[in-house]
Amino acid sequence: DSGVTQTPKHLITATGQRVTLRCSPRSGDLSVYWYQQSLDQGLQFLIQYYNGEERAKGNILERFSAQQFPDLHSELNLSSLELGDSALYFCASSNTGFGNTIYFGEGSWLTVV
Amino acid sequence: DQQVKQNSPSLSVQEGRISILNCDYTNSMFDYFLWYKKYPAEGPTFLISISSIKDKNEDGRFTVFLNKSAKHLSLHIVPSQPGDSAVYFCAARTGGTSYGKLTFGQGTILTVHP
Repeated sequence: DSGVTQTPKHLITATGQRVTLRCSPRSGDLSVYWYQQSLDQGLQFLIQYYNGEERAKGNILERFSAQQFPDLHSELNLSSLELGDSALYFCASSNTGFGNTIYFGEGSWLTVV
Repeated sequence: DQQVKQNSPSLSVQEGRISILNCDYTNSMFDYFLWYKKYPAEGPTFLISISSIKDKNEDGRFTVFLNKSAKHLSLHIVPSQPGDSAVYFCAARTGGTSYGKLTFGQGTILTVHP
């Protein structure tokens, strides 16, 4: 158990819909990272928040957005969903923006039908 | 543009023997490399890392070797155990950017047979 909690574990939704994935980082961790793992792309970095502020951005679509709240939990919002958005979404955390490693949650499986 | 490549999708090894997982990269700005292990229905778990100023790092049964001139790193597991069966991901990051912004390879499925 990494200490990073993600909900929901599984989600099935229709094209065009919007979903929110939630992440609670390890206790004391200020940084939260979101990754997407799809069959053809592997693990791809999406975005990082540090203590409520966006710190780094990767290949995140404009239809996707994220935020980190004062209690340090984070949400990833996916809108206008397409079939290709079906993937495993991981959240990870670390105790600073410059930790040597990051700790991953178990992921949220999103299936768009 | 795949900057980190794991060219072997799978590897099968007998228990007690050595497992060697390979990873190649193209971005010369990468200065830190990590290996993660992933079991089904779990998130990736950090295994071992190496800075670009070193060529070897060892932690118990796991050793990572870095050959900067060849842009190649490898993970050696000795001796291999059935519990090591998992997907192994190589990851890299560039200096001066967020330490959590990692570029991952596609992964290698390791199967260790009893």
